[in-house]
Amino acid sequence: GENVEQHPSTLSVQEGDSAVIKCTYSDSASNYFPWYKQELGKRPQLIIDIRSNVGEKKDQRIAVTLNKTAKHFSLHITETQPEDSAVYFCAASIPNSGGGADGLTFGKGTHLIIQP
Amino acid sequence: DAGVIQSPRHEVTEMGQEVTLRCKPISGHNSLFWYRQTMMRGLELLIYFNNNVPIDDSGMPEDRFSAKMPNASFSTLKIQPSEPRDSAVYFCASGRYTEAFFGQGTRLTVV
Repeated sequence: GENVEQHPSTLSVQEGDSAVIKCTYSDSASNYFPWYKQELGKRPQLIIDIRSNVGEKKDQRIAVTLNKTAKHFSLHITETQPEDSAVYFCAASIPNSGGGADGLTFGKGTHLIIQP
Repeated sequence: DAGVIQSPRHEVTEMGQEVTLRCKPISGHNSLFWYRQTMMRGLELLIYFNNNVPIDDSGMPEDRFSAKMPNASFSTLKIQPSEPRDSAVYFCASGRYTEAFFGQGTRLTVV
């Protein structure tokens, strides 16, 4: 099955600086790569996703890049703010021939700390 | 849209008791997932359904765990008998094609 590795496990940056979180996946058939943000005691929330036919996607201060050849994808957060502090998870999924979604395989998470 | 609704939010039970967790997916979503989250193991996929049919239950820890989806608007995850190592937050998520949106989770404590 799919295996997703995520680094680093903890990332501390100064407010206003950029943060980058990296993930690799093992199954070349994976074609959907979402990122989730989870605040303490809350549910994981989808913040951005990318599909295998796109190399980069941006939404305001958040961007995701995908390199299918190398099987890795990254989350970039610019101009970090205190509210960006949370645990971020990357995930990958393989298309399901039945027309529905396949289960997401998650990385172990990155605890992002924004220091004032 | 109220999102994915899970109940109960918290459950404390004694070892050996049966526990049933409930989930109402977002209307119109054709996929439903059950995840378990612990500090040690992170987010683990237990089972998922497409169009109410179980597709992959290889993540279910053992025979004590079972899940059903009798219709498009309801699913249950049952643990019988429960053990202390089952203590975790259990999330239900639903999606259409590929996205997955999570419910608030059920924090299960088995004492």
